[in-house]
Amino acid sequence: NAGVMQNPRHLVRRRGQEARLRCSPMKGHSHVYWYRQLPEEGLKFMVYLQKENIIDESGMPKERFSAEFPKEGPSILRIQQVVRGDSAAYFCASQDPTGSANYGYTFGSGTRLTVV
Amino acid sequence: GNSVTQMEGPVTLSEEAFLTINCTYTATGYPSLFWYVQYPGEGLQLLLKATKADDKGSNKGFEATYRKETTSFHLEKGSVQVSDSAVYFCAQHTGRRALTFGSGTRLQVQP
Repeated sequence: NAGVMQNPRHLVRRRGQEARLRCSPMKGHSHVYWYRQLPEEGLKFMVYLQKENIIDESGMPKERFSAEFPKEGPSILRIQQVVRGDSAAYFCASQDPTGSANYGYTFGSGTRLTVV
Repeated sequence: GNSVTQMEGPVTLSEEAFLTINCTYTATGYPSLFWYVQYPGEGLQLLLKATKADDKGSNKGFEATYRKETTSFHLEKGSVQVSDSAVYFCAQHTGRRALTFGSGTRLQVQP
């Protein structure tokens, strides 16, 4: 049973380009969370999705950032017109269908985005 | 709002030393509490958790007790190893089900 798979592991983009980060949750998990980790900081919640629905996007920047979790395929975090301040590690976590808060979350290894 | 505060690192210890990493939280209600560990270049792994007051989470020699009276969840280990070198994150679960993390504490264990 593979864990949470994120790709790419490393992504370099020039300012103004688009970045697409993918997350495949654990088999059977239908809840996905995206977090951002700036250098030397903790993880900050961005968005919580279930299949085909955004449940909570209170941590997402209002512009340039979007997320989806389609019925088929991985969850995608999309950053348009990247700027240097977007450079960070982006982590995805999935949770089992019951969504119980007590179960904790399974994290992927992250995508490290560098904007040059 | 809800928050988690951890002691700043890095914490540098010799092998077999005793480890304490302090963590306190603020929350409405009674959150579940977690410790995660992040090894270099990897994602976070759940180390231990506690879901109610006075619960003790334990794993791999690490322990933490949920103290409601002091709103704390300090991480301890009696004898650290070089392989424990990593960044440790304290976290709480908020009502919206997303985790709120502390800023992390880097532990460096020297042989």
